[in-house]
Amino acid sequence: QQQVKQSPQSLIVQKGGISIINCAYENTAFDYFPWYQQFPGKGPALLIAIRPDVSEKKEGRFTISFNKSAKQFSLHIMDSQPGDSATYFCAAYSGAGSYQLTFGKGTKLSVIP
Amino acid sequence: DAGITQSPRYKITETGRQVTLMCHQTWSHSYMFWYRQDLGHGLRLIYYSAAADITDKGEVPDGYVVSRSKTENFPLTLESATRSQTSVYFCASIGTEAFFGQGTRLTVV
Repeated sequence: QQQVKQSPQSLIVQKGGISIINCAYENTAFDYFPWYQQFPGKGPALLIAIRPDVSEKKEGRFTISFNKSAKQFSLHIMDSQPGDSATYFCAAYSGAGSYQLTFGKGTKLSVIP
Repeated sequence: DAGITQSPRYKITETGRQVTLMCHQTWSHSYMFWYRQDLGHGLRLIYYSAAADITDKGEVPDGYVVSRSKTENFPLTLESATRSQTSVYFCASIGTEAFFGQGTRLTVV
């Protein structure tokens, strides 16, 4: 069964701190690993994504770390800001398949001033 | 405007009624998806479509029907709504990345 397990369910971080969210997957056919950010009342929006041929990708304050052998990937938010408070979903799909995104259950991040 | 739009944004319906949620995208993406979002479950795939007239079941298809007569439209129908189908529904399409609509909040009373 295709699964993506995400932790923690919720996270409280002080402004300026580092937020870390972890995901693990089972299906080795997955070849695209995006992270989505969702604000209340809105649809998920792509934040950053990585393919398994690289171990790290950085875009501004957001970094994905990818460990292919452990089948794990994580999102690091540096210098976390109150505006980063949202729900974050990791996901995965196989481009050789049907592009079905399989999502983790989400992490609600609260950044407190 | 380019994008993916869902309608209605909010819907209240009664148990047993048929209701259709609409999804329209302007990019001519081949792949389109319907997800439902429930607390504690994240986003779960209901149905997807690889092209016009090609649809397939996802993780939670029971009680739902889809069609795709045109590339840009992918309506989702609840044939006989049940309270367990109260949820937020998201439509998505994939090009170089996945784009999601704003969602439809459906309440079945």
